[in-house]
Amino acid sequence: QKEVEQNSGPLSVPEGAIASLNCTYSDRGSQSFFWYRQYSGKSPELIMSIYSNGDKEDGRFTAQLNKASQYVSLLIRDSQPSDSATYLCAVTTSGTYKYIFGTGTRLKVLA
Amino acid sequence: NAGVTQTPKFRILKIGQSMTLQCAQDMNHNYMYWYRQDPGMGLKLIYYSVGAGITDKGEVPNGYNVSRSTTEDFPLRLELAAPSQTSVYFCASSETSGNTIYFGEGSWLTVV
Repeated sequence: QKEVEQNSGPLSVPEGAIASLNCTYSDRGSQSFFWYRQYSGKSPELIMSIYSNGDKEDGRFTAQLNKASQYVSLLIRDSQPSDSATYLCAVTTSGTYKYIFGTGTRLKVLA
Repeated sequence: NAGVTQTPKFRILKIGQSMTLQCAQDMNHNYMYWYRQDPGMGLKLIYYSVGAGITDKGEVPNGYNVSRSTTEDFPLRLELAAPSQTSVYFCASSETSGNTIYFGEGSWLTVV
């Protein structure tokens, strides 16, 4: 079982729709969770971080964390073509160096 | 706001050559990392450092070496380049473990 799993996609959504990206992780001791966006040929950039159960909203983005079920998700409301990118989920445990990255979900927002 | 700076951005190496990828951060972060990313694959940790003078291996250290003489700099040395080292290399840093990790712009390396 992979430590952090994401559906590779592509996930295609029409412009203006909600895109839902999911990530599951295997280490129950994980404490910090991150969503990064990576455009083709560019480096990952932070979208959201979340540390406790529940929802965290930032503009059009909402991160959801459920530690009991070991999943974290990212919702993108009012999706725009500029949101088309690969979204990486990253998980880490406090006190360790280890950030585990998923392989990413490719999102395509269709105009 | 420089953040994490990597050089060079692109490089072509011949098999057997050696080179150093430079990385510097100006955020006074203790933790620094080197990752490689192959097409369609996730980020694989090569080496990491928790402070000046302290480095350790990650998942895929073979063929690479690092040093950390200052808080700011974390160069990655490729010895005897092989085609399997063709990849994109990202340097990153974080203030402590568990905090947000910030990436440099990447270095595209091709070994022919």
